Amino acid sequence: GQQVMQIPQYQHVQEGEDFTTYCNSSTTLSNIQWYKQRPGGHPVFLIQLVKSGEVKKQKRLTFQFGEAKKNSSLHITATQTTDVGTYFCAGHTGTASKLTFGTGTRLQVTL
Amino acid sequence: DTAVSQTPKYLVTQMGNDKSIKCEQNLGHDTMYWYKQDSKKFLKIMFSYNNKELIINETVPNRFSPKSPDKAHLNLHINSLELGDSAVYFCASSQDLDEQYFGPGTRLTVT
Repeated sequence: GQQVMQIPQYQHVQEGEDFTTYCNSSTTLSNIQWYKQRPGGHPVFLIQLVKSGEVKKQKRLTFQFGEAKKNSSLHITATQTTDVGTYFCAGHTGTASKLTFGTGTRLQVTL
Repeated sequence: DTAVSQTPKYLVTQMGNDKSIKCEQNLGHDTMYWYKQDSKKFLKIMFSYNNKELIINETVPNRFSPKSPDKAHLNLHINSLELGDSAVYFCASSQDLDEQYFGPGTRLTVT
């Protein structure tokens, strides 16, 4: 079945450092969504990318969707303690409503 | 004005018992989901309903039975609870393949 892997599993950075998480799917995706889950919280939608090679920015966050629509990345510039949490990518295959979540990357930020 | 609500938030019960978790969304979405998040934070889809019709039924023990009385509600009933059922269960909703809105989660502990 479809698998979506993320690396790294965990990253610990000092505040102000940059952070990147990579997402790789075993199959071509029709879209990619990114979610953030704070400790003890629930996943919250961040963004959706649909087009091959698409790049979107939200303040310090930059999201990319690969040309082959099988991988994606999330880059955070100058991390802050409020960025702490687990970041999940998730993708649909074709028109199927099943959203397959990646394995997640847990980000820890310290002062 | 919670968009997706779940009850209860915490559920502690003994092996062999039967329990239910309720979910309601007031977003007018036509699709609702149940996810299981284990101790390693992996998010796995269990079921999905579209306008009260079951459209996704992953490989889940038949002790788990979803019920959707109307498109705003999706409940999860679990029979003969086992230790391995301990996890956080999230309800979510979406309109088509758009972003998913998650409920706060129900932490189930089976002793």
